[in-house]
Amino acid sequence: ILNVEQSPQSLHVQEGDSTNFTCSFPSSNFYALHWYRWETAKSPEALFVMTLNGDEKKKGRISATLNTKEGYSYLYIKGSQPEDSATYLCAVPNDYKLSFGAGTTVTVRA
Amino acid sequence: NAGVTQTPKFQVLKTGQSMTLQCAQDMNHEYMSWYRQDPGMGLRLIHYSVGAGITDQGEVPNGYNVSRSTTEDFPLRLLSAAPSQTSVYFCASSSRDSRTDTQYFGPGTRLTVL
Repeated sequence: ILNVEQSPQSLHVQEGDSTNFTCSFPSSNFYALHWYRWETAKSPEALFVMTLNGDEKKKGRISATLNTKEGYSYLYIKGSQPEDSATYLCAVPNDYKLSFGAGTTVTVRA
Repeated sequence: NAGVTQTPKFQVLKTGQSMTLQCAQDMNHEYMSWYRQDPGMGLRLIHYSVGAGITDQGEVPNGYNVSRSTTEDFPLRLLSAAPSQTSVYFCASSSRDSRTDTQYFGPGTRLTVL
């Protein structure tokens, strides 16, 4: 099981503002990185799976970048909306076992 | 297409009781897994299966058993429930390679052990 860290643990952002947060993981033997979005009382839903160093993925106002050499990924939310309020999880595989970070909880204030 | 289903949604057990959490998927996925979610700890892998007849341990397997007799079903058995097993349990599946394939999660089972 790999050590996957996410920071900050939580953040509050004003509606319309942009924000970003980090997922850190061991850079050795990197295979892939997953991002999931988890709304309260629901189950986690996939955002991105990233495999290549320098990869950038985008889904609507949410985007992610990946640096496998230094072992980190950023998730960006542009022009935050109340519906973006959720916990964002990242996960990294070790063989066929996914190790999840504890998540960053984003609260968007109207 | 129901995706990943879990039953029950809620369960209260007394210490020492046993029970089975059910998980089924209708997407013909090879890979299935069980996680538990505790406050401040994210999702922790309990057991996983890469195909029918094959299971393996995850990060926190003690006190739990699994079997995979069919592609569709992956039940999780609590042998003798303990208060430390109070948690929310999620089942997930992916098509073939859990390393790069999207995980699809079930709705979760909230378990309380008294």
